[in-house]
Amino acid sequence: AQSVTQLGSHVSVSEGALVLLRCNYSSSVPPYLFWYVQYPNQGLQLLLKYTSAATLVKGINGFEAEFKKSETSFHLTKPSAHMSDAAEYFCAVTEGNQGGKLIFGQGTELSVKP
Amino acid sequence: EPEVTQTPSHQVTQMGQEVILRCVPISNHLYFYWYRQILGQKVEFLVSFYNNEISEKSEIFDDQFSVERPDGSNFTLKIRSTKLEDSAMYFCATGYSTYTDTQYFGPGTRLTVL
Repeated sequence: AQSVTQLGSHVSVSEGALVLLRCNYSSSVPPYLFWYVQYPNQGLQLLLKYTSAATLVKGINGFEAEFKKSETSFHLTKPSAHMSDAAEYFCAVTEGNQGGKLIFGQGTELSVKP
Repeated sequence: EPEVTQTPSHQVTQMGQEVILRCVPISNHLYFYWYRQILGQKVEFLVSFYNNEISEKSEIFDDQFSVERPDGSNFTLKIRSTKLEDSAMYFCATGYSTYTDTQYFGPGTRLTVL
């Protein structure tokens, strides 16, 4: 069965520092992987997705993620944090034979200190 | 940019009452989903819907739950007899296709069962 683990329920960085949010997945078939962001009182917004093309995926707002099959990881990074990046981030996986159902990690709340 | 809308934003109900949560998908989308997030927990898949029938449902989606698209526009989730443990944020998501396609999430309906 598919599963997603996000290491760290809360990550705090200083403005301008590197952001690294970790995501590991478990899947029996090649997965499709997604990162979503949720700002307070809003729905989930897609940051980026991996769909078996390039392993380094660039998304919105300067975020990127690298699919590493050998490590079953899809960590999200941003070189320089901005105050507006403070939000909850969710990693999710779906398998091609599951009709699009997303399996989410538990989420990581990112705080950015001035 | 088109977006998914949900009504109401907040619903308070008494245990045992029926509730209907409504979603207006993006107009050319064909796949519809409901997810829920209990406070402090993961976003969980409930059900997917395509071509006027359920494609897949989770263990959570028991006989108390139903979905329909009554008028070709709204997509509804009905909980027949609410329980305290149904209190959660319910998200509707829609997509043009499955697997690799982005699911667009609505802002959610917060359901509180007293």
